Amino acid sequence: GIQVEQSPPDLILQEGANSTLRCNFSDSVNNLQWFHQNPWGQLINLFYIPSGTKQNGRLSATTVATERYSLLYISSSQTTDSGVYFCAVPNSGGSNYKLTFGKGTLLTVNP
Amino acid sequence: EAQVTQNPRYLITVTGKKLTVTCSQNMNHEYMSWYRQDPGLGLRQIYYSMNVEVTDKGDVPEGYKVSRKEKRNFPLILESPSPNQTSLYFCASRSNGELFFGEGSRLTVL
Repeated sequence: GIQVEQSPPDLILQEGANSTLRCNFSDSVNNLQWFHQNPWGQLINLFYIPSGTKQNGRLSATTVATERYSLLYISSSQTTDSGVYFCAVPNSGGSNYKLTFGKGTLLTVNP
Repeated sequence: EAQVTQNPRYLITVTGKKLTVTCSQNMNHEYMSWYRQDPGLGLRQIYYSMNVEVTDKGDVPEGYKVSRKEKRNFPLILESPSPNQTSLYFCASRSNGELFFGEGSRLTVL
């Protein structure tokens, strides 16, 4: 099946700093999602981004499907940004639509 | 507001006591699925449903049952829970390739 790798695995920032998280995938995909899992365990949709760039406030994401990677940018980080960031891509073929998740980037933003 | 709602959010139970985790979505999505999340193992799919009365096994279906009698509801049933089913469970529904997750249900089986 498709392999998804995220980097870095851990990231510690001071409040106000910017960061870039990366997601590489091993096969061509027709969509990609970024999620934030907060410290309470909730999975929050950040972006559904098959290709191109999207922005939502301080967050933006870019997917370059031809080169099999996506980037998530966090600007002016806040303590509430802490948590685990996952990227996920769908499995290919079959009737079951299942996402394959990367192992995530654990982000800690210190005040 | 479009959402996927799971209940209960937290539950502590004992081995062998049947329980049901409900999942409801208000977006008229045909596809729904259940995942469990465990440390070091990530999210793994338990069951999925393509539509009413159409369900199939995911990667880790043992010990679970599901039903899909109505489009909006997709309950997860643990007939005889065991400690290895202690986990964080997520229900999800899909629209146009985008998956929407419920808030999660943290289950502990003693």
